[in-house]
Amino acid sequence: GIQVEQSPPDLILQEGANSTLRCNFSDSVNNLQWFHQNPWGQLINLFYIPSGTKQNGRLSATTVATERYSLLYISSSQTTDSGVYFCAGISNFGNEKLTFGTGTRLTIIP
Amino acid sequence: DAGVIQSPRHEVTEMGQEVTLRCKPISGHNSLFWYRQTMMRGLELLIYFNNNVPIDDSGMPEDRFSAKMPNASFSTLKIQPSEPRDSAVYFCASSFLSGTVEQYFGPGTRLTVT
Repeated sequence: GIQVEQSPPDLILQEGANSTLRCNFSDSVNNLQWFHQNPWGQLINLFYIPSGTKQNGRLSATTVATERYSLLYISSSQTTDSGVYFCAGISNFGNEKLTFGTGTRLTIIP
Repeated sequence: DAGVIQSPRHEVTEMGQEVTLRCKPISGHNSLFWYRQTMMRGLELLIYFNNNVPIDDSGMPEDRFSAKMPNASFSTLKIQPSEPRDSAVYFCASSFLSGTVEQYFGPGTRLTVT
């Protein structure tokens, strides 16, 4: 199966700062998704982004499918952005198994 | 529309007992997935169904685990007998089978086996 690598593993920022999270895939993927797992453990869908760029408020994401990576941008961070951010994808050459990265733990300090 | 519904939200049981986790997918979705999240292994897929049919159960840890989907609106994941190493958060997710196959996750069931 595919390998999903996320960086950085941990990120501590002051409120108001911007951040970029990265996700690399070992093979071509489709169904690339970004999730936020909040401190209560809920997995919140952020983006479904097999390719291109999307924006939703302070968050945006870009996937460059040909180079097998995706980026998540968070601008003007708020304490409610704290949690773990996961990317996940399904291999173009496999079945429908969504493989998750190990996550980036983001902590926003007031 | 309601999201994916899971019950119970928390389950504490003793080793050797049977545990049944339940999931109701989003109405109209025809793919259902069971995941497990642990500190050691992260989020891993256990089994998934398309149109109520199990497609891939290669992630099921061992024979103590079984899953069923008797109809389009209900699935169960059963552990019998349970062991302490089964303690984890179990998520259910659903999606459409084709087109935009974005998966939506339920709130999870936190299982503790003592």
